[in-house]
Amino acid sequence: DTGVSQNPRHKITKRGQNVTFRCDPISEHNRLYWYRQTLGQGPEFLTYFQNEAQLEKSRLLSDRFSAERPKGSFSTLEIQRTEQGDSAMYLCASSLSTSGELFFGEGSRLTVL
Amino acid sequence: GDSVTQMEGPVTLSEEAFLTINCTYTATGYPSLFWYVQYPGEGLQLLLKATKADDKGSNKGFEATYRKETTSFHLEKGSVQVSDSAVYFCALSAGYSSASKIIFGSGTRLSIRP
Repeated sequence: DTGVSQNPRHKITKRGQNVTFRCDPISEHNRLYWYRQTLGQGPEFLTYFQNEAQLEKSRLLSDRFSAERPKGSFSTLEIQRTEQGDSAMYLCASSLSTSGELFFGEGSRLTVL
Repeated sequence: GDSVTQMEGPVTLSEEAFLTINCTYTATGYPSLFWYVQYPGEGLQLLLKATKADDKGSNKGFEATYRKETTSFHLEKGSVQVSDSAVYFCALSAGYSSASKIIFGSGTRLSIRP
């Protein structure tokens, strides 16, 4: 297994554009998490799935953010009408529901100009 | 809500020094506690964990004990090496399941001088 894979690794976009990130988890993991990390801060929880069900979404997340995991495998995180404040590293992690150990991808860095 | 507070960095030590990075938490239920590490240029990875009070997690010479009475999970290592230079994140599983969402602290950057 190659671990958690995220694409693209880096995205530069103009304010107001939509962006989508993809995460491919470790194949046998049924949980998938999205976090956002800015410089000097810890990962901030955004949302997580068990199989295809979205179990929780952060109250801090605006309606411009949406995530899906349609078949319980890969997941996408879409940000609509991007703002400069959305610039951050977006991290995906996966785990087994019986374990608290998260396996992280290398992240997708978003730069909004 | 559930949260984690850890000591601010950066922390700079000489090789073979003793390390303590403080971490305290606020949680409902019975959280599991974790330390994750991020080495330069790499993704976050689990360093150690403890799932109930008085448990001690250990790995790579690092240890942390789950102290319910003080709501703490301090990270310690008796003799640090240059290769330990990294950012360390304390974390907890929120809610009543050991595999609920994981909440992270803000991280502590550790630099070890040869």
